[in-house]
Amino acid sequence: QQQVKQSPQSLIVQKGGISIINCAYENTAFDYFPWYQQFPGKGPALLIAIRPDVSEKKEGRFTISFNKSAKQFSLHIMDSQPGDSATYFCAPSGGRRGKLIFGQGTELSVKP
Amino acid sequence: GAVVSQHPSRVICKSGTSVKIECRSLDFQATTMFWYRQFPKQSLMLMATSNEGSKATYEQGVEKDKFLINHASLTLSTLTVTSAHPEDSSFYICSARDVRGAQETQYFGPGTRLLVL
Repeated sequence: QQQVKQSPQSLIVQKGGISIINCAYENTAFDYFPWYQQFPGKGPALLIAIRPDVSEKKEGRFTISFNKSAKQFSLHIMDSQPGDSATYFCAPSGGRRGKLIFGQGTELSVKP
Repeated sequence: GAVVSQHPSRVICKSGTSVKIECRSLDFQATTMFWYRQFPKQSLMLMATSNEGSKATYEQGVEKDKFLINHASLTLSTLTVTSAHPEDSSFYICSARDVRGAQETQYFGPGTRLLVL
């Protein structure tokens, strides 16, 4: 079953622009909402994560917005840079030892 | 963040041979590690959960006799692809669960590219 839907599949943004990636989920037991960044040929790296008790979390140019009622959370990359070009995955999980459920991935390309 | 290593980073083998991939948590102990497989342009697929001192838990559709997992210590898990075939060629990634913080976090290794000829 498809528990997590990520969109868009690919995204092209100009340098300095805002990149927005969305993740919709079905399982209301999810309580941990991370975004991972993956460069070609590398393993994913944790970028930023949020718990459902807050609606937004910002770390530098990266912000997570969380909408519990809509069962959605999004990643915003401000002032996007060519170095941000990578594939991004949402991977929510539920419970203290729940498994990460990966979205389909979004390939971001930031044009200079 | 914590550091997870994998060895080898890439391996080429002949069809029918076995290949072992190591996953190590370098600066923390991990009672739980995970093994994923990723095909080109696709998401990560969880293959199995590796538990220190006990048998691995495999996801549906993953052959446990083909993908042998051993988690002999708190810092090392190994995945052995037995009798590898070309369709096993993929990018294998491990992760280790870090329980030291308030929120458990999974840290991923750099991946192992397997090519079976």
